Amino acid sequence: KQEVTQIPAALSVPEGENLVLNCSFTDSAIYNLQWFRQDPGKGLTSLLLIQSSQREQTSGRLNASLDKSSGRSTLYIAASQPGDSATYLCALTGGSGGGADGLTFGKGTHLIIQP
Amino acid sequence: DTGVSQDPRHKITKRGQNVTFRCDPISEHNRLYWYRQTLGQGPEFLTYFQNEAQLEKSRLLSDRFSAERPKGSFSTLEIQRTEQGDSAMYLCASSLHEANYGYTFGSGTRLTVV
Repeated sequence: KQEVTQIPAALSVPEGENLVLNCSFTDSAIYNLQWFRQDPGKGLTSLLLIQSSQREQTSGRLNASLDKSSGRSTLYIAASQPGDSATYLCALTGGSGGGADGLTFGKGTHLIIQP
Repeated sequence: DTGVSQDPRHKITKRGQNVTFRCDPISEHNRLYWYRQTLGQGPEFLTYFQNEAQLEKSRLLSDRFSAERPKGSFSTLEIQRTEQGDSAMYLCASSLHEANYGYTFGSGTRLTVV
């Protein structure tokens, strides 16, 4: 069964710092990987989608990488801002879990950016 | 189309009552998914539809849960005889048949069973 682990579980940094969130998975036979943001009590907002044939995707201050062979993805946030405070979730399609083409999620990294 | 819509946003119900949630996916998306999320956890897969056909159900979906997607458009998730353990955020997502386009989630329905 696919297992997704996100490290750290929580992170608090001063505004302006660059930071890296980590996601690891046990089954490398994935179709794609998607990073989401979730604000307290809200739904999920898609940030970046990396298809299995790709190595990275960028959007503004965000960069996500994927290394299927090592079972890892990272989300890099440049020049962090207080508005980046949220929970960041890593989710995979494929591998052994989540329903056919459904997503298997990690528990998320709770990020706080201090003004 | 403004995305995936879920209704209601919040629902408080007494234990033993039945509740029904609705999800309206992005119109051109033929796949629709239901997930459940409890505090501090990532969402967990419940079930999914391709058009009107329910193709897979998680073992988390007990016989008190039923989902439908008549005509392959909106979907409903009903919970009968609610229990306190059913309290959670229920999330709906949709995607194109080709999952490489990713998933779009709604804002969720927060259920509290008292």
